Amino acid sequence: ILNVEQSPQSLHVQEGDSTNFTCSFPSSNFYALHWYRWETAKSPEALFVMTLNGDEKKKGRISATLNTKEGYSYLYIKGSQPEDSATYLCAFQSTADSWGKLQFGAGTQVVVTP
Amino acid sequence: EADIYQTPRYLVIGTGKKITLECSQTMGHDKMYWYQQDPGMELHLIHYSYGVNSTEKGDLSSESTVSRIRTEHFPLTLESARPSHTSQYLCASSELRVRQETQYFGPGTRLLVL
Repeated sequence: ILNVEQSPQSLHVQEGDSTNFTCSFPSSNFYALHWYRWETAKSPEALFVMTLNGDEKKKGRISATLNTKEGYSYLYIKGSQPEDSATYLCAFQSTADSWGKLQFGAGTQVVVTP
Repeated sequence: EADIYQTPRYLVIGTGKKITLECSQTMGHDKMYWYQQDPGMELHLIHYSYGVNSTEKGDLSSESTVSRIRTEHFPLTLESARPSHTSQYLCASSELRVRQETQYFGPGTRLLVL
């Protein structure tokens, strides 16, 4: 099992503030990095699939960057709103697995307080 | 929103009972997965399938079994539930021909074995 780590484990943000957190993954055999948002009592929802070093993706106030050479991705939330409260999961996809299975991190739980 | 369903959402059951967790998707996806997640921990892949009559064990050993008789249906069975099976179980699906696949998740089943 590959090591995918997310930090911090949780964070509290005031409404309107911006925040970011990290996903670390193996720098070898990189194929893709996935980000998901998981709200309580709902299904995990795909945010981004990132494949190229230096990639930057954006969806509304949420954006993500990718550094495959050093093995990390940042996810940013600009101007946090209460509806951004969720657990954000990253998942690493390796070239060494021909079936394309995902290795998930434990997530960063974000709580946005009004 | 993805069309993947899991029932029941919550299940409390006594030790020794046989249980089946249902998962269905209406997207025609060939690939389906079962993940197990304990609080604060990663999603661990316990079973997957790339089509009818195909099932494989995932990275995390599990006493559960699965079947794939129809494309849209991927049930998980525990023949004799034990307290150690208490966990959250998530089902997901994705397209076979797209390797950078986005996995679409169901809402999960929270299982408590007394």
